[in-house]
Amino acid sequence: GIQVEQSPPDLILQEGANSTLRCNFSDSVNNLQWFHQNPWGQLINLFYIPSGTKQNGRLSATTVATERYSLLYISSSQTTDSGVYFCALRTSGTYKYIFGTGTRLKVLA
Amino acid sequence: DGGITQSPKYLFRKEGQNVTLSCEQNLNHDAMYWYRQDPGQGLRLIYYSQIVNDFQKGDIAEGYSVSREKKESFPLTVTSAQKNPTAFYLCASSIGTEDYYGYTFGSGTRLTVV
Repeated sequence: GIQVEQSPPDLILQEGANSTLRCNFSDSVNNLQWFHQNPWGQLINLFYIPSGTKQNGRLSATTVATERYSLLYISSSQTTDSGVYFCALRTSGTYKYIFGTGTRLKVLA
Repeated sequence: DGGITQSPKYLFRKEGQNVTLSCEQNLNHDAMYWYRQDPGQGLRLIYYSQIVNDFQKGDIAEGYSVSREKKESFPLTVTSAQKNPTAFYLCASSIGTEDYYGYTFGSGTRLTVV
């Protein structure tokens, strides 16, 4: 099956710093989402981005489907950005998302 | 506001006991899913349902059962056959199961065996 790798596994930042999270995958995908899981466990959809670039405030994401990776950019990080960031993807004809193991981000005040 | 409601937030199960986790959505979504998350891990699919009265096993269905009698509801029962049920359980829904539909998640239920 398709393999999903996220890097780095852990990241500690000072408030105000920028960061890039990466998601590599081993097969072509029809759907890719980035989620943020807050410290209480809630998963929030950040981007639906099977290809191209999207921006939402301080966050942006880029997926290069032909090269099989996606990037999540966080600018001017805040303590509320702390949590785990997952990429999840679906391949053609499948019914489920495959989740990566996540990047654990801690932003220090 | 539309969304997915999971209850309870915390649940304790004794050895040999069956427990049922509730998942209700008012998004008018056809598809619903149950995922399990273990500490420090990603999510793994337990069961999914594309339409009412139909559901399919996911990757780790053993020891679990579900029903889909109403479009809005997709309860998960953790049976005594599930040997290691302590985990965080997340319910999700999507408009359909086609590739291009994204997920909306509930806030989860933490199940602990005591």
